[in-house]
Amino acid sequence: IAGITQAPTSQILAAGRRMTLRCTQDMRHNAMYWYRQDLGLGLRLIHYSNTAGTTGKGEVPDGYSVSRANTDDFPLTLASAVPSQTSVYFCASSDGTGANVLTFGAGSRLTVL
Amino acid sequence: GQNIDQPTEMTATEGAIVQINCTYQTSGFNGLFWYQQHAGEAPTFLSYNVLDGLEEKGRFSSFLSRSKGYSYLLLKELQMKDSASYLCAVRDRDYKLSFGAGTTVTVRA
Repeated sequence: IAGITQAPTSQILAAGRRMTLRCTQDMRHNAMYWYRQDLGLGLRLIHYSNTAGTTGKGEVPDGYSVSRANTDDFPLTLASAVPSQTSVYFCASSDGTGANVLTFGAGSRLTVL
Repeated sequence: GQNIDQPTEMTATEGAIVQINCTYQTSGFNGLFWYQQHAGEAPTFLSYNVLDGLEEKGRFSSFLSRSKGYSYLLLKELQMKDSASYLCAVRDRDYKLSFGAGTTVTVRA
């Protein structure tokens, strides 16, 4: 089934640890995005990539890094996790044509203690 | 950047109509989207407006007025499965999407 796969589904992490959230899409979409969703704040863009080999900063990039080595994969890394990074993280992609609708993964729930 | 406002919560009865308003301020408007998100799930696309007017899709319609920075999502013949959060999102000229905090709609029997 075509779509976006995120892993892990859920993770509890000690503060200061490094964590990578994985995101893979099989739709050959050019653009990919990472959002975090917090109660009362909605979805906020962390980083994005318009095409393989390029990345850009979103609204809340501090403490996060991304890479886009190929079209399918867009991992998000927390170099040294802090409790304020406790959130639900959604990866999304779009094909860049027409309305450029975003397709979202199922999300990764991260708790930093 | 974008400043997007929508009500936090709305409650309606099964079979009724609910209108969710969204106002926005943006430096470069390039489209408005509505997404539906059931609890614990990913957002899914509902509608897209880039020109003024009404877009109808079955029981759901979305309206846009660019001069007023205003949109609404109209849900008709409400069903219990329509209980969800509805997210208004505005796209800028760089094709980045910014979301409002979402409106939680509860449908009661």
